[in-house]
Order: sequence, then C-alpha cells, then structure tokens
Amino acid sequence: QKEVEQDPGPLSVPEGAIVSLNCTYSNSAFQYFMWYRQYSRKGPELLMYTYSSGNKEDGRFTAQVDKSSKYISLFIRDSQPSDSATYLCAMSEQTGANNLFFGTGTRLTVIP
Amino acid sequence: DTEVTQTPKHLVMGMTNKKSLKCEQHMGHRAMYWYKQKAKKPPELMFVYSYEKLSINESVPSRFSPECPNSSLLNLHLHALQPEDSALYLCASTGGGYNEQFFGPGTRLTVL
Repeated sequence: QKEVEQDPGPLSVPEGAIVSLNCTYSNSAFQYFMWYRQYSRKGPELLMYTYSSGNKEDGRFTAQVDKSSKYISLFIRDSQPSDSATYLCAMSEQTGANNLFFGTGTRLTVIP
Repeated sequence: DTEVTQTPKHLVMGMTNKKSLKCEQHMGHRAMYWYKQKAKKPPELMFVYSYEKLSINESVPSRFSPECPNSSLLNLHLHALQPEDSALYLCASTGGGYNEQFFGPGTRLTVL
C-alpha cells in the first residue's frame, strides 16, 4: 500500500463548477499537508499549506485536513480554464529538510 | 524574491557526455533538494542538502553527483547517463521552521 493515495483522474468539469480533489494516507505521523499545482512541463507551484487538522481558505481555494480519517481535500470554487493542470497532494512528518510524500497527482481539465 | 531558478531549461546529452544542472535561490533557505520527475508521475526525491551538507541520498546511482557550493546554489553533475535517466529534474528549497518546498521550473533532460 502506498503511503499517499490520490485518484489520478482525469477529471473534466465545466467552467464555474466546484472541484473536489482528495488524498488519503496511511501514516498517522504526517502533520504537514500541501497542495501543488503543476502545469504541463513546468515545476510544481505551491497552492496551499496546512498544519494538522482544519480548514484553510485562500481565494477560490479551500484546503481541508481530517487527521482522524487520514483524508485531505482541496476545493476549487468557480473553476476556470486556467485551473486546468495536475494537482499533487504532498505531506510530511516534520518541518525542515526532509522527505515529502507525494500523491500521484490528479489531472484536471476545466472546459470553457 | 520567492523564486527558485534552474538552468538550463532543456538539455540534450549523449551517454558519454558530462554536464551539470544548476539551481539557485535567494530566499535564505537552508535546505535544498533535487527531484526527478517522469511523465505523469509525482516528483521522486534524489538528494537533500541541509545547511550545505548532504543529509539525504535516496540511493541514487553514482552517475548523478550533487554539489552545494554555498547556501544559495545547488548543482547536479551528470556523467555517463542512460536513456532511462531522461526526465524533468526539479530543484526545491525550504527554509526556517517551515515545511513548504518551493520548486523551480525544472530542467528537461534528454539522454540519447
């Protein structure tokens, strides 16, 4: 079993839809959770960073962490064609120089 | 300045060549990373430098040789690579007590 599981999609939605992206994990020691957006042939761009359980909102993006269920989500409201990208969840046990555990990424297409 | 830069953007090399990839950040981050990413896969950690010292080497073949000349620079020296080493090579950095890794745009490497 992989440490981080993420549905690879692909996921296609119409413009303006609410998108829900999810990851599950098995390691209860994970405390730091990130979502990255990666456009084709580019480096990952950090979208959201959360510590422990709870919600965090930034514009159209909301990140949720439920440590009891070992489940994290990223919601995108009013999705735009420019949101079309691969979304990677990532998590780690501690701060500092250490390994990030990535999900496999979900490829999202927002259709105009 | 919240940017990680990488040069070159593209590199084509033969199996007998020696080349180097370069990464630079001026955010004062003290941890820097090399990742390898194949198409439709998440980034795969290769090396971590913390305070200019190699702290993690994920059993990478010796044909990849990292170097951290100072706290802002990270190099990856390449020698006698194989065609299966063709990938996007990503550099990242993180600083302070935080865990967000900021990625560069990557170098797309093709080994002929």
